[in-house]
Amino acid sequence: SQKIEQNSEALNIQEGKTATLTCNYTNYSPAYLQWYRQDPGRGPVFLLLIRENEKEKRKERLKVTFDTTLKQSLFHITASQPADSATYLCSALDSSYKLIFGSGTRLLVRP
Amino acid sequence: EAGVAQSPRYKIIEKRQSVAFWCNPISGHATLYWYQQILGQGPKLLIQFQNNGVVDDSQLPKDRFSAERLKGVDSTLKIQPAKLEDSAVYLCASSLGNTDTQYFGPGTRLTVL
Repeated sequence: SQKIEQNSEALNIQEGKTATLTCNYTNYSPAYLQWYRQDPGRGPVFLLLIRENEKEKRKERLKVTFDTTLKQSLFHITASQPADSATYLCSALDSSYKLIFGSGTRLLVRP
Repeated sequence: EAGVAQSPRYKIIEKRQSVAFWCNPISGHATLYWYQQILGQGPKLLIQFQNNGVVDDSQLPKDRFSAERLKGVDSTLKIQPAKLEDSAVYLCASSLGNTDTQYFGPGTRLTVL
């Protein structure tokens, strides 16, 4: 079955460092991947979308890459801040146009 | 612009009881989704509406879950009877079209005892 996999272990980093989160997909080739942020008690908030023909996308301190050979997307937050602490979800449309999500990676940025 | 509204925010019921959740999408959004998010997992699509028609309900446990979107705006999701494993956050989302960015509501946290 089509799957989106993210590292379930929390990522704990020092303020000012770059956070890198990984998303792997299996058994299909999505036309694009999306990244969402989810804070406790809230719904996911859309951050970035990257298409399969784009290698890299940037928005302020955020950068996303899409490697169709490795079947992987990397999500980077540069100059991380404690306010960036949240769970980050990777998602993609499956072959029937349903959005499927990974389980998310929790990021904790220490001051 | 107002976001997606959901109510209630929290609900505690006993197993075998029934419960209903309400969602008001962003104005003008034709597509509405209900997701179930179990603790520690990503959201899982239960049902998708395009206006007031069902596009996909393949993952909706139809023996106990039902949803409707009358008049193509608000939607309700019902569980009857609830089971312990239904404890989760139920998220509503809406989008302009079925491949456009989805905007999520705050969710309803359901606890089944």
